[in-house]
Amino acid sequence: NAGVTQTPKFRVLKTGQSMTLLCAQDMNHEYMYWYRQDPGMGLRLIHYSVGEGTTAKGEVPDGYNVSRLKKQNFLLGLESAAPSQTSVYFCASSSADALNIQYFGAGTRLSVL
Amino acid sequence: AQKITQTQPGMFVQEKEAVTLDCTYDTSDQSYGLFWYKQPSSGEMIFLIYQGSYDEQNATEGRYSLNFQKARKSANLVISASQLGDSAMYFCAMRDTSGSRLTFGEGTQLTVNP
Repeated sequence: NAGVTQTPKFRVLKTGQSMTLLCAQDMNHEYMYWYRQDPGMGLRLIHYSVGEGTTAKGEVPDGYNVSRLKKQNFLLGLESAAPSQTSVYFCASSSADALNIQYFGAGTRLSVL
Repeated sequence: AQKITQTQPGMFVQEKEAVTLDCTYDTSDQSYGLFWYKQPSSGEMIFLIYQGSYDEQNATEGRYSLNFQKARKSANLVISASQLGDSAMYFCAMRDTSGSRLTFGEGTQLTVNP
């Protein structure tokens, strides 16, 4: 089982460049999420989706956009990268049942110079 | 707003001993879920255990158990018979009443000594 797959695993950007992180899940989960993790901190929610074609803002959405055109994919875009967006990005997915356990991808380490 | 507090930045335990990692939470919701995740040095986030706010029994999963004290708003993780492979960062998290968002604590770095 692949579970939640994130691509790429590592990326270095220059300030002002754009990029898209891809998250794919094969568990037929309704919900998908993007988090960022900074040193010494827990994960913070950027955006999430409760179904195909829907997205919502999380705790730290500024500077990011997302799209969920297909149920299995959730894209995170940085239109104009800033050094403050240097972080590790995690994607997660969960079913819509009562437990709503989130399963995570391996993470993407992004550096913005 | 929900808040998770993990007051132990680092913990040390001897191999084969038990260890308790503290987690307190703050919420005005009546229905919520509490989770623990493990993050080894390799970086992935691994789900360990779940406790629902209406669950009367403490959750257990193998060597992991959750000491849930609702009145004190605490959800401590107990790891029995620690192993070297338990050395990792551990995060407590809470799901809000909408059922779709997790709030994480800052984590506790556990080191298991041989």
